[in-house]
Amino acid sequence: EAQVTQNPRYLITVTGKKLTVTCSQNMNHEYMSWYRQDPGLGLRQIYYSMNVEVTDKGDVPEGYKVSRKEKRNFPLILESPSPNQTSLYFCASSLGLGQPQHFGDGTRLSIL
Amino acid sequence: AQSVSQHNHHVILSEAASLELGCNYSYGGTVNLFWYVQYPGQHLQLLLKYFSGDPLVKGIKGFEAEFIKSKFSFNLRKPSVQWSDTAEYFCAVIPWGPDSGGGADGLTFGKGTHLIIQP
Repeated sequence: EAQVTQNPRYLITVTGKKLTVTCSQNMNHEYMSWYRQDPGLGLRQIYYSMNVEVTDKGDVPEGYKVSRKEKRNFPLILESPSPNQTSLYFCASSLGLGQPQHFGDGTRLSIL
Repeated sequence: AQSVSQHNHHVILSEAASLELGCNYSYGGTVNLFWYVQYPGQHLQLLLKYFSGDPLVKGIKGFEAEFIKSKFSFNLRKPSVQWSDTAEYFCAVIPWGPDSGGGADGLTFGKGTHLIIQP
């Protein structure tokens, strides 16, 4: 089954404790992306990657890092999380930049 | 960078009513357009897309959308809604084509419309 898998689905943690949210897709997609969804703001893109070893900032990259060492994986790293990063995060992938995206089930992060 | 405006943040309708959700974007060149739906507690799913050709596109679950280039609009419609259509709906745009820099600006989402269908 074609899917985008995110882990964990839920996480409560404290300010400053580094965390990683993993994202993996099994569709051999070149394009992957991370979004955060906040009430009243819709989805905002954090980072995206057009292929292995190619990553670019989206609209709200501050406080986040990503890496794309393999085609299927695109982890999101919060080196020093802060409460304003409490949000619902979605990973997505697609065949290419302008193509429809397949979304993961989301990761709800709470930073205390 | 482009922006996407969805006019209605909340819409409440009765079953069998007709639906139209507005979406306008700001980019003046060629664009790819999408509508996504997010059912409660779920991830986003593609409803329909427009790349080129017939400006009236049909998607899943009886939804359709019309691209009007002169109005920079891509409104979503459904003739008769059902209770199961209760969800949040997002319009998304990406500049595409030779004048867009290869989509370097990425995909931009509107803020969403929360649709509630009353039985």
